[in-house]
Amino acid sequence: RKEVEQDPGPFNVPEGATVAFNCTYSNSASQSFFWYRQDCRKEPKLLMSVYSSGNEDGRFTAQLNRASQYISLLIRDSKLSDSATYLCVVNGFRNDYKLSFGAGTTVTVRA
Amino acid sequence: DAMVIQNPRYQVTQFGKPVTLSCSQTLNHNVMYWYQQKSSQAPKLLFHYYDKDFNNEADTPDNFQSRRPNTSFCFLDIRSPGLGDAAMYLCATSREALGQTSYEQYFGPGTRLTVT
Repeated sequence: RKEVEQDPGPFNVPEGATVAFNCTYSNSASQSFFWYRQDCRKEPKLLMSVYSSGNEDGRFTAQLNRASQYISLLIRDSKLSDSATYLCVVNGFRNDYKLSFGAGTTVTVRA
Repeated sequence: DAMVIQNPRYQVTQFGKPVTLSCSQTLNHNVMYWYQQKSSQAPKLLFHYYDKDFNNEADTPDNFQSRRPNTSFCFLDIRSPGLGDAAMYLCATSREALGQTSYEQYFGPGTRLTVT
């Protein structure tokens, strides 16, 4: 079983729509959770950390469900510039600094 | 302000011809990582340095080696590249300290390796 699993998509949405997707992780001891954004042929860039209480950064909302071992990302009022692959990232164990990456969920926002 | 720099951005090498990729950072982070990423796949950790300590992943082929001469620089050496080694190679850094609870990594722009 992969440590981090994501629906690859693609999620094709019109501008202004809301899109949401999840990622599941296998290690119940994971403590750090992130969403990274990766544009085509570019490096991953940190989008946001995911906190236990859930957190929001502008149009982006991240949630953590420890009981079911998944995290989610919701994008409101989608922009064309939101088109990218979103990587779900978790650390392996408590205090482990190594990260495990999902293969990503591709979002395409159309005009 | 470039923080993690990788050179070259594109590298073409011949089958079996050694190649070295470089990474430098201005963040003064104590941990540096090398990842291999192929199309539509997750970045795969090859190895990392925690300060001067080298940590190899169990499934990293012996064909891949690394050097970290100082805090700022790290090199990835591929001794005999095969066609299957064509990929994007990403360098990342993070700052680890006692009591820390968040482990963001910061990536360089990557080196895209083509093997002919």
